[in-house]
Amino acid sequence: GQQVMQIPQYQHVQEGEDFTTYCNSSTTLSNIQWYKQRPGGHPVFLIQLVKSGEVKKQKRLTFQFGEAKKNSSLHITATQTTDVGTYFCAGPGNQFYFGTGTSLTVIP
Amino acid sequence: DAGVIQSPRHEVTEMGQEVTLRCKPISGHNSLFWYRQTMMRGLELLIYFNNNVPIDDSGMPEDRFSAKMPNASFSTLKIQPSEPRDSAVYFCASSPTLGVGYTFGSGTRLTVV
Repeated sequence: GQQVMQIPQYQHVQEGEDFTTYCNSSTTLSNIQWYKQRPGGHPVFLIQLVKSGEVKKQKRLTFQFGEAKKNSSLHITATQTTDVGTYFCAGPGNQFYFGTGTSLTVIP
Repeated sequence: DAGVIQSPRHEVTEMGQEVTLRCKPISGHNSLFWYRQTMMRGLELLIYFNNNVPIDDSGMPEDRFSAKMPNASFSTLKIQPSEPRDSAVYFCASSPTLGVGYTFGSGTRLTVV
C-alpha cells in the first residue's frame, strides 16, 4: 500500500544549527502537508504544498515539494529551542497517510 | 473558535470494560478523522467521515472498535471490550473538506490495565 517514509527518525542539533527532514512517497502525491507535534501535544498543521517544485517559506522554515511530487523536505534555519518536536509529513490517498515523523531535539 | 474538542483528556480503565471517546469537530468542517498514536506504530488513521458518513474504516483494528457520527457536531469512538494493547493516545481531527489541512484535538490518553 501507499507509504510515506521520513528520514531521519531522530535528529539532535545544537541551537543555531540548521535542520532538514525528508519525506518520500512510494507513489505520486497530489499534495503534501506538514505538521508539527510538540512533546505531549497534538499535531498542528503547518503548510500544504500542491504544485510540482513548489517552495514555501514560513520565517525560518522552508518547505519544498519535489518535481516528481513524490518527495518533500522541511528545512529549518538556525534552530531554536522552540523548534523542538516531531515533524510529520502527510500525503493523501484513499486514506491520508502520515509519515513516520522526525523527532527534533535542540540542545541549548 | 474553540477548535476540535475531545473528551475525556485521560481515561484509565480495566481490561474488558467499555470505553467511549468523544469528539466535537470545528463547526462547518465536513470531514472528521479518528487517529491513534503509539510509539511503535506512529499515527494510524482508524476511520474518517465525510458529511457524517463513514468513508473508510479499514484502519479500525478489529470488531471491538466502532465509531459513529450521528450529526455534524459530534462523533464517538467506542472500544468494547478494551484490552491493554489499546492503550494509546487517540486523536480526533477535522477539516473543511477532504485533502485540506487538519485541525487536531488535544487527544485522549487511554490506559487499559
